[in-house]
Amino acid sequence: EIVLTQSPGTLSLSPGERATLSCRASQSVSSSYLAWYQQKPGQAPRLLIYGASSRATGIPDRFSGSGSGTDFTLTISRLEPEDFAVYYCQQYGSSRMYTFGQGTKLEIK
Amino acid sequence: EVQLVQSGAEVKKPGESLKISCKGSGYSFTSYWIGWVRQMPGKGLEWMGIIYPGDSDTRYSPSFQGQVTISADKSISTAYLQWSSLKASDTAMYYCARLLLPDLLQNWFDPWGQGTLVTVSS
Repeated sequence: EIVLTQSPGTLSLSPGERATLSCRASQSVSSSYLAWYQQKPGQAPRLLIYGASSRATGIPDRFSGSGSGTDFTLTISRLEPEDFAVYYCQQYGSSRMYTFGQGTKLEIK
Repeated sequence: EVQLVQSGAEVKKPGESLKISCKGSGYSFTSYWIGWVRQMPGKGLEWMGIIYPGDSDTRYSPSFQGQVTISADKSISTAYLQWSSLKASDTAMYYCARLLLPDLLQNWFDPWGQGTLVTVSS
């Protein structure tokens, strides 16, 4: 089973700053199967990025994804107040299972 | 608009059974896999299992195999998650989520239902 480890656990930044969130896999993951989600308090998760770098419908272009192999990154170019939330990476693996990272909480500094 | 609407919050006692639902609308219900995801209080997301309503092909996470049953009734575009004997540790928010692309398992979850809170307490 592939394990996804996200870092940092908590990221404290101010609106307008750039956020870089990391997702590391325990073994190589197909970029096609890597996604990022955003979850705000009291809400269901929302798909942000799929296929490692494609933005989902309606997602602003300040969100971008990159990476390959075992290292993937979600970047938010200029933080807006509504971007402070918890972010999860997720992959579909060769064992036909879906796994999520433990999440990164992005909080206002 | 593609939507998944889940049944309401439940409060149950240990040992009781429960079946929660997820109704899809705005798309061809039989053509997309629907998964279930658990979120325990203050914790992250855990994939439980997934079903293809077209033929009821179902896959489970090893962590949840034998603990829950996933089913679907395509005549009413509804997927289900059920327990035969609840435990206090089943207390969590449960989300259903459709895969973005039709037919394929290799895929991502979008959209999500609003969640069903299950509380198990004596």
